[in-house]
Amino acid sequence: NAGVTQTPKFRILKIGQSMTLQCTQDMNHNYMYWYRQDPGMGLKLIYYSVGAGITDKGEVPNGYNVSRSTTEDFPLRLELAAPSQTSVYFCASSPRRQLYEQYFGPGTRLTVT
Amino acid sequence: QKEVEQDPGPLSVPEGAIVSLNCTYSNSAFQYFMWYRQYSRKGPELLMYTYSSGNKEDGRFTAQVDKSSKYISLFIRDSQPSDSATYLCAMSQGGSEKLVFGKGTKLTVNP
Repeated sequence: NAGVTQTPKFRILKIGQSMTLQCTQDMNHNYMYWYRQDPGMGLKLIYYSVGAGITDKGEVPNGYNVSRSTTEDFPLRLELAAPSQTSVYFCASSPRRQLYEQYFGPGTRLTVT
Repeated sequence: QKEVEQDPGPLSVPEGAIVSLNCTYSNSAFQYFMWYRQYSRKGPELLMYTYSSGNKEDGRFTAQVDKSSKYISLFIRDSQPSDSATYLCAMSQGGSEKLVFGKGTKLTVNP
């Protein structure tokens, strides 16, 4: 199993550009999550999904959108990128509603200039 | 008052030392308490979790939860250079999809 994979690893965006961060898991997990981690800060939940077709906002959803058309994929869309969205983005998945079983991907480092 | 407070360090210890990492929290509804380890430029990985109060031991690692004081700890015995990482505490209420993370403590174990 590859676990949770994320692409790209790094990206530099100009202000106002858009992009999609990809996340795929091959563990057949129902629950998937997107977090952002700013330097010296803990992780903050952006969006989560409890299954295909179901998504909900987390703590910091503004400026982001998600979709979940399959169990495996949970892409995160940034529209009109802003410098405040410079961060490291982590995708995670868990097999059920046991949050301690979250498996994290390697992260995407995004810089908006 | 922040929900979860964690001293960011950095903390530097010699190899073989006992390390104590701590978090305090303000939300008395938290029931699940977790410690994640994050190596540089990697995603967090679950180290230990505890439900409610008490101690849990796994090899060189011991997690303690004191709900009366709203205080959790992670102890690392016989610390190794491979333990050098950032340690994040996290906690959640029962039935919640939301994990609340501390800022993380950066630990360096010097050979």
